[in-house]
Amino acid sequence: KAGVTQTPRYLIKTRGQQVTLSCSPISGHRSVSWYQQTPGQGLQFLFEYFSETQRNKGNFPGRFSGRQFSNSRSEMNVSTLELGDSALYLCASSLAPSYEQYFGPGTRLTVT
Amino acid sequence: GIQVEQSPPDLILQEGANSTLRCNFSDSVNNLQWFHQNPWGQLINLFYIPSGTKQNGRLSATTVATERYSLLYISSSQTTDSGVYFCAVESDYNNNDMRFGAGTRLTVKP
Repeated sequence: KAGVTQTPRYLIKTRGQQVTLSCSPISGHRSVSWYQQTPGQGLQFLFEYFSETQRNKGNFPGRFSGRQFSNSRSEMNVSTLELGDSALYLCASSLAPSYEQYFGPGTRLTVT
Repeated sequence: GIQVEQSPPDLILQEGANSTLRCNFSDSVNNLQWFHQNPWGQLINLFYIPSGTKQNGRLSATTVATERYSLLYISSSQTTDSGVYFCAVESDYNNNDMRFGAGTRLTVKP
């Protein structure tokens, strides 16, 4: 069974631009969560989607948004990029909320 | 929200040594996982263990939910065990997110 895939793997953007990251969960998994990892703040929860509905959202500004499609694939969007948004963005999938999570390889975003 | 503390923050071992990593959490949980993050950033599942004991080869884990801690044991460590080990928990209360500890950075020297 294929694992969680994330595209793109690396991205360089300029301040003020926007970016869309994609996550394809493990087949059969309906829950997708997004995390941001930075050296200073560690791993922080962004949001969780289940059956196309956002269940939870972490403490991030409204510039961070996401959605989930009917095939469980998910995208997250960051608008008006800031230097501090440079991070590794990780996506995880699970059968349902509170089940074991499996992580993708991440997208490394650099904002210049 | 739930607090997660991992100790020690850093650990340096000689190959072949054993180690114990600890994760303390402040609330009852319905989900607890241990991960190993490799140098490329990939988080690798080690254990899904909200309670009880599990073993997988040289690794084993125990969660004592009533006392709000979990332990990860690594025996006969190898250089490939190096990396950062994370504990992540989800509280029983509310529709909560997974909270990660700050991690334990393990270095195994040959």
